[in-house]
Amino acid sequence: AQSVDQPDAHVTLYEGASLELRCSYSYSAAPYLFWYVQYPGQSLQFLLKYITGDAVVKGTKGFEAEFRKSNSSFNLKKSPAHWSDSAKYFCALNTGGADRLTFGKGTQLIIQP
Amino acid sequence: EAAVTQSPRNKVTVTGGNVTLSCRQTNSHNYMYWYRQDTGHGLRLIHYSYGAGNLQIGDVPDGYKATRTTQEDFFLLLELASPSQTSLYFCASSDSWGVAETLYFGSGTRLTVL
Repeated sequence: AQSVDQPDAHVTLYEGASLELRCSYSYSAAPYLFWYVQYPGQSLQFLLKYITGDAVVKGTKGFEAEFRKSNSSFNLKKSPAHWSDSAKYFCALNTGGADRLTFGKGTQLIIQP
Repeated sequence: EAAVTQSPRNKVTVTGGNVTLSCRQTNSHNYMYWYRQDTGHGLRLIHYSYGAGNLQIGDVPDGYKATRTTQEDFFLLLELASPSQTSLYFCASSDSWGVAETLYFGSGTRLTVL
């Protein structure tokens, strides 16, 4: 069965630092990977996705993610981080359609000024 | 910009109570979903639908019913609410079912069952 692991429940950084949120997945076939962000008091918003092609995908708000098949990872990156990036970030894996979207537990990111 | 509206924003009920959560999307999307979000878990799929009158079972359907009355409206029903159903519920929609589809989420309903 497929799974998504976000090993860091919380990450705290200072503004201006580089951020990298980790995501690993378990799936034997080609993965379709997503990042969603949930700002305080708001709903989840789509950030970016990897379907095929270039390993580095760029999304909104200056974020990018790198797909690494060698270690089954899809880490989210941004440099520099801004205080407004404080939010909860979810990695997700789709293996076959509407009912096959698996979310990780999320990483709470706090950017200190 | 996709618009998915949930109501109510907050709901408190007692064990055994009857609760209906509402969701409306105005983007002519075919697919709609109900998820629950709990600490220590990612979002978990309760039910979903690919059109009016259609209902599909998700990963955690026990204790929940759902109904899709129109393309726009999708309801989640808890007929005998239990404390274990205290959670943050999200509705979402997408244009199709494909693996690359982006989901558009509502703002959530926080349900507390006492």
